[in-house]
Amino acid sequence: GAVVSQHPSRVICKSGTSVKIECRSLDFQATTMFWYRQFPKQSLMLMATSNEGSKATYEQGVEKDKFLINHASLTLSTLTVTSAHPEDSSFYICSAPHGSSTEAFFGQGTRLTVV
Amino acid sequence: AQSVTQLGSHVSVSEGALVLLRCNYSSSVPPYLFWYVQYPNQGLQLLLKYTSAATLVKGINGFEAEFKKSETSFHLTKPSAHMSDAAEYFCAVRTSNTGKLIFGQGTTLQVKP
Repeated sequence: GAVVSQHPSRVICKSGTSVKIECRSLDFQATTMFWYRQFPKQSLMLMATSNEGSKATYEQGVEKDKFLINHASLTLSTLTVTSAHPEDSSFYICSAPHGSSTEAFFGQGTRLTVV
Repeated sequence: AQSVTQLGSHVSVSEGALVLLRCNYSSSVPPYLFWYVQYPNQGLQLLLKYTSAATLVKGINGFEAEFKKSETSFHLTKPSAHMSDAAEYFCAVRTSNTGKLIFGQGTTLQVKP
């Protein structure tokens, strides 16, 4: 199946700094990618839809100035958590639908810890 | 609007016993439905999917699910649980053609020796 690679898998940063998470489709092009956030013992909540060459679409309640999304190419979307705070600590997962396939393929996830 | 409800946040079975994880959906259009498994600190792995073909869908690792329109259900089953099945399981429905998924709350499966 198609492969989506997410990097880094784990990151620890200090409060006030920014962190960039990359999501790459390795063997296919993805004009759309999705970013999810998962709190401990909870489900995945869609944060935003990343669109290649245009602005991301954010879900209600997600601060777009806090979570910057850039989809600069057909294989790469990035999520930047700006001025991170401990409450931003979470597991972030990206996914990308693959062509005519009915399923989306998920990255491995990034565990962000803000100290 | 589409939604998914997983009944039971925690299910515990003995090794070798039947696994049944429940999922009910709400959708105004014929849905695409998915079951994913997640191991700690990892992404999601697709177990199986329903895409309006056969109502009984077989997936990986011996799992299967049956789409029942009359009950708006898509329950996941496995005849005999294995210790390695212990994980978090998510049911999801796909919204339109965008590929965006709406997830259920998740069910933690515990397998006891």
